[in-house]
Amino acid sequence: IAGITQAPTSQILAAGRRMTLRCTQDMRHNAMYWYRQDLGLGLRLIHYSNTAGTTGKGEVPDGYSVSRANTDDFPLTLASAVPSQTSVYFCASSDTGTSPGSDTQYFGPGTRLTVL
Amino acid sequence: DQQVKQNSPSLSVQEGRISILNCDYTNSMFDYFLWYKKYPAEGPTFLISISSIKDKNEDGRFTVFLNKSAKHLSLHIVPSQPGDSAVYFCAASAYGQNFVFGPGTRLSVLP
Repeated sequence: IAGITQAPTSQILAAGRRMTLRCTQDMRHNAMYWYRQDLGLGLRLIHYSNTAGTTGKGEVPDGYSVSRANTDDFPLTLASAVPSQTSVYFCASSDTGTSPGSDTQYFGPGTRLTVL
Repeated sequence: DQQVKQNSPSLSVQEGRISILNCDYTNSMFDYFLWYKKYPAEGPTFLISISSIKDKNEDGRFTVFLNKSAKHLSLHIVPSQPGDSAVYFCAASAYGQNFVFGPGTRLSVLP
């Protein structure tokens, strides 16, 4: 593994189902992030974690939850998916968690999720 | 209301010419700016950054200009190459807080 991996690559999901998007990094970065990308809106922050054991809400957290049990993994869960959660989801990480807005973020390849 | 705007959804440029991608922001507290490039089916990759204490930063063919009074920054690519065809995102942060991204501009460099 080099960098950030995300799984699955794509998924079609029925509304109301539960789904967990996986993200793993091998760079020992402190901070990790989940974004969604929608046409015309760019990347919007869903949740973030400045260090293992802590999480925070981003711009669009409703309907999503995260956990950060260790440094490497940062799964994103949709408890009951809705069609408006159809999007491309990107996981990212950065070295320092103390000042995320001054640190380059490294992105995974993305997960394309379609909720019907 | 979007705090970071990229008003041109797309831009086409001839190979060898200059590409200028623009970004405007509304939050005067933003003090650090990044540009990311994104190819289809890949995650964004970091391109270049600029701090508000500077008005220009250069890295090879890429130069970012910052005009704080106008709350405007631009990315210049000279000369443009077909491999530069991608979506470019501008991102801004204030005092080390999380980044806010613009909607992106799709650049097409024509051979």
